[in-house]
Amino acid sequence: AQTVTQSQPEMSVQEAETVTLSCTYDTSENNYYLFWYKQPPSRQMILVIRQEAYKQQNATENRFSVNFQKAAKSFSLKISDSQLGDTAMYFCAFMGTSGTYKYIFGTGTRLKVLA
Amino acid sequence: DAGVTQSPTHLIKTRGQQVTLRCSPKSGHDTVSWYQQALGQGPQFIFQYYEEEERQRGNFPDRFSGHQFPNYSSELNVNALLLGDSALYLCASSLTSGRLGYGYTFGSGTRLTVV
Repeated sequence: AQTVTQSQPEMSVQEAETVTLSCTYDTSENNYYLFWYKQPPSRQMILVIRQEAYKQQNATENRFSVNFQKAAKSFSLKISDSQLGDTAMYFCAFMGTSGTYKYIFGTGTRLKVLA
Repeated sequence: DAGVTQSPTHLIKTRGQQVTLRCSPKSGHDTVSWYQQALGQGPQFIFQYYEEEERQRGNFPDRFSGHQFPNYSSELNVNALLLGDSALYLCASSLTSGRLGYGYTFGSGTRLTVV
């Protein structure tokens, strides 16, 4: 069975600095998708960035980028120039492609951006 | 463009009662998934509906059931409520036809408290 592990329950970063959130996963599939979602106090899960496993190039969305290491089954999120609005829970999620349609989420990392 | 709409936002029920939660997917989306998020945890997949049929189900008892209507909206029903059913229930929508890797759009959830 697939699992997703986020080993950092809480992190903090000063405004304008860079922070990296860690995520590891376990799967026997060769092709799959990985996602980072942000959940602010409003509770809505917001897609931050996505990565397709068969693409070697790391995904980038403005200030957000990932370091995808397929062999190590690692998928970390880097937030550059952190802003107060980045304060939220961040969840790493896995979706396989072998007849499954569900996300498997990690337990989340609570990020606080300090002024 | 309306996103995913869930109702009600908050609900308090007594142990043993039944509850119905509702979800309207994002315009143009035809697939609805339901997740349960316990306090301090990542969301857990309950089931997914497509073409008015349950396409995939997570590890939840039969007390959890659902329905999808011809307009793609969906209901989640939980019978014989237990204290452990207290959680945030998230609805997520997407467009099938091979686009699952693009990520789901989530609603803001229904906070269910069982007393």
